[in-house]
Amino acid sequence: ETGVTQSPTHLIKTRGQQVTLRCSSQSGHNTVSWYQQALGQGPQFIFQYYREEENGRGNFPPRFSGLQFPNYSSELNVNALELDDSALYLCASSLGGVREAFFGQGTRLTVV
Amino acid sequence: AQSVTQLDSQVPVFEEAPVELRCNYSSSVSVYLFWYVQYPNQGLQLLLKYLSGSTLVESINGFEAEFNKSQTSFHLRKPSVHISDTAEYFCAVSRNDYKLSFGAGTTVTVRA
Repeated sequence: ETGVTQSPTHLIKTRGQQVTLRCSSQSGHNTVSWYQQALGQGPQFIFQYYREEENGRGNFPPRFSGLQFPNYSSELNVNALELDDSALYLCASSLGGVREAFFGQGTRLTVV
Repeated sequence: AQSVTQLDSQVPVFEEAPVELRCNYSSSVSVYLFWYVQYPNQGLQLLLKYLSGSTLVESINGFEAEFNKSQTSFHLRKPSVHISDTAEYFCAVSRNDYKLSFGAGTTVTVRA
């Protein structure tokens, strides 16, 4: 049990729709990172939020956006969903760097 | 940029036999190194990590990994596996304690 919770655990969306995924970070952690794990692949870094500001971004288009709230929980928003967005989305919380990052159980998104 | 290569995509192994999962990385600077385990339909769990100091790191459940700077490798080993070790294993690197870059994963299947 890492203390990082993600919701929902599963969801199905239609191509072109928008989706919001949520991550509640571990108590005391001020940094949340989001990763996309396509089937059969390793996780890919989407972006990171530190104290409510975006702190770096991977190679993902602008339709992937996020927020971090004052309690350090976070949202990942994806607009104009494409079939290739089907994946497991993981969030990781930490106090600063990744050396002490803890991952949530993930949200499985299926786009049909 | 860092890249991580896991040299084996699938490793079948009999129970109580040893296993080695190979990981090589490319980076021109010092990095932190990690092994994560992912059980079916779950998130990532940190198995062990190398930050500095002794090049041999151990986990509480019998895994160990050795950092080899000259060969830029961080291979994972376990002298005797159990059925419960069946999972996907990911090697990851981080520069500057920022994002994690993952390999494609190695599926370990332990057979009785």
